[in-house]
Amino acid sequence: QKEVEQNSGPLSVPEGAIASLNCTYSDRGSQSFFWYRQYSGKSPELIMSIYSNGDKEDGRFTAQLNKASQYVSLLIRDSQPSDSATYLCAVKAETSYGKLTFGQGTILTVHP
Amino acid sequence: EAGVTQFPSHSVIEKGQTVTLRCDPISGHDNLYWYRRVMGKEIKFLLHFVKESKQDESGMPNNRFLAERTGGTYSTLKVQPAELEDSGVYFCASSLSFRQGDFTGELFFGEGSRLTVL
Repeated sequence: QKEVEQNSGPLSVPEGAIASLNCTYSDRGSQSFFWYRQYSGKSPELIMSIYSNGDKEDGRFTAQLNKASQYVSLLIRDSQPSDSATYLCAVKAETSYGKLTFGQGTILTVHP
Repeated sequence: EAGVTQFPSHSVIEKGQTVTLRCDPISGHDNLYWYRRVMGKEIKFLLHFVKESKQDESGMPNNRFLAERTGGTYSTLKVQPAELEDSGVYFCASSLSFRQGDFTGELFFGEGSRLTVL
């Protein structure tokens, strides 16, 4: 079993729709959860972080965390073609001093 | 402000040769990390420097890999001798100093060095 699992996609949504990206993790000691966005050939860029159960909103992005279910998601509202990228879920264990465990990433395509 | 810079952006070498990758972190970032993504797999942690000291090198695959961070500034990752399975994209990242338990998670990544071993 992978430590952090994501559907690799590709996930295709029309412009203006809500894109829903999901991630599950196996280590119950995980404390911090992150979503990175990576455009092709570019560096991963942090877009959301979440540490406690519930929802966290930032503009068009909402991260959701459920530690009991070991599940974290990212919702992108009003999706734009510029949101087309690979979205990486990353997890940090409580004992980890900065080491992140990444999922394989979900490729998102937003078509006009 | 300059971001994390890595070079070369792409290196093609033959099996058995040596390659050295370089990373310049964001100025003032004490923490420097190396990660690697092999084709079709997830990005995996290799090691973590705090200034010039290795904080965690649990992800280094074997002793063919040597990472250094002289003077706590830039870092190099040497692969010697390179094997076919070493092909992939090597990412460097850096972050500000943090106290244990107070880490924000914001790693600033470089664009990666793509290594192809033939």
